[in-house]
Amino acid sequence: KAGVTQTPRYLIKTRGQQVTLSCSPISGHRSVSWYQQTPGQGLQFLFEYFSETQRNKGNFPGRFSGRQFSNSRSEMNVSTLELGDSALYLCASSADSNIQYFGAGTRLSVL
Amino acid sequence: SQQGEEDPQALSIQEGENATMNCSYKTSINNLQWYRQNSGRGLVHLILIRSNEREKHSGRLRVTLDTSKKSSSLLITASRAADTASYFCASYSGAGSYQLTFGKGTKLSVIP
Repeated sequence: KAGVTQTPRYLIKTRGQQVTLSCSPISGHRSVSWYQQTPGQGLQFLFEYFSETQRNKGNFPGRFSGRQFSNSRSEMNVSTLELGDSALYLCASSADSNIQYFGAGTRLSVL
Repeated sequence: SQQGEEDPQALSIQEGENATMNCSYKTSINNLQWYRQNSGRGLVHLILIRSNEREKHSGRLRVTLDTSKKSSSLLITASRAADTASYFCASYSGAGSYQLTFGKGTKLSVIP
């Protein structure tokens, strides 16, 4: 079974731009979660989707948004990028909303 | 906010030694999980211990859970250089929550 796939792996953007990150979960997994990881704040929960519905949202500004499609694939979008948005963005999928399987992440650099 | 806090933040040991990492959490939990992350890559699930369990083993891993103290420990026995990674505890933030909250992690270095 293929693992969680995140694209792209690396991204460089400038302040003010927007970015869309993609995540393909493990086949059969309907729950997809997103996390931001930075050296200062560690791993922080962004949001979780199940069957196209957002069930939980972390404490992030409205510039961070996401969605899930009917095939469980998910995207997250960050608008009006700030320098502080530079981070590793991790996506994870789950079959039972317990154990999560992570992708390799997208490293975003904002210049 | 962090649900779990690991201790120590960093640990350096020789190959063959045991490594112990501790985690404290804040709210009541149904289960607690441990994950490993190799150098800026995705996390890998190691072990899950339920709130009614006190100890669990998986290969060279031993996890304990003390719900009265809201703490857990991860023991890696006979460590190898390949165990060099960051280790995180994680739990869901309360009943009905789908938000998995991680601690800040313990960075383990195993010296060959």
